[in-house]
Amino acid sequence: QQQVKQSPQSLIVQKGGISIINCAYENTAFDYFPWYQQFPGKGPALLIAIRPDVSEKKEGRFTISFNKSAKQFSLHIMDSQPGDSATYFCAASEGGSEKLVFGKGTKLTVNP
Amino acid sequence: NAGVTQTPKFQVLKTGQSMTLQCAQDMNHNSMYWYRQDPGMGLRLIYYSASEGTTDKGEVPNGYNVSRLNKREFSLRLESAAPSQTSVYFCASRPGPAHRYGYTFGSGTRLTVV
Repeated sequence: QQQVKQSPQSLIVQKGGISIINCAYENTAFDYFPWYQQFPGKGPALLIAIRPDVSEKKEGRFTISFNKSAKQFSLHIMDSQPGDSATYFCAASEGGSEKLVFGKGTKLTVNP
Repeated sequence: NAGVTQTPKFQVLKTGQSMTLQCAQDMNHNSMYWYRQDPGMGLRLIYYSASEGTTDKGEVPNGYNVSRLNKREFSLRLESAAPSQTSVYFCASRPGPAHRYGYTFGSGTRLTVV
């Protein structure tokens, strides 16, 4: 049973465009939703995270939108750059749990 | 540099061989984790250690054992490697269960079992 469903699997965007990656979850006990960025040959690195008491969080060109009623959250990358080309993972965890559950990842390619 | 260090970076094993993947962190984190990453599968938790002296199973523990040697080190052992264990293994750490912060990941060990 996949607890966090991520789409699309791959995404190609032109430089300057907006990249949007979506995730959906079922467990209403989840209360922490991070996004990780992974470059080839490297480990994932925390990009941005949100808690369900806010609907949006922005850090530079990266924004998380959160819809608690729909149990969905998404990552928007504004003004996408070739350097943003990487694999992005959404994740979720619930209070008191040690376990962080990951989506299957989205490979983003930003063409120059 | 502060962070999570994994050794080795690459390893090829024959079916049935054993090996230990090493992980060490120098951030004084309490919690440590082992994940495996397979194409199209995301990251799946193998084992974790919430604090020194404790270990617990994750989503895919079969075929693996772990040891939390001290606060800094958390090793993953494959007793009898199988081709299904071909994967990239990541160690991660975070300050502790009371801290809702992201994990810090190592750079991974790419393991091939032939």
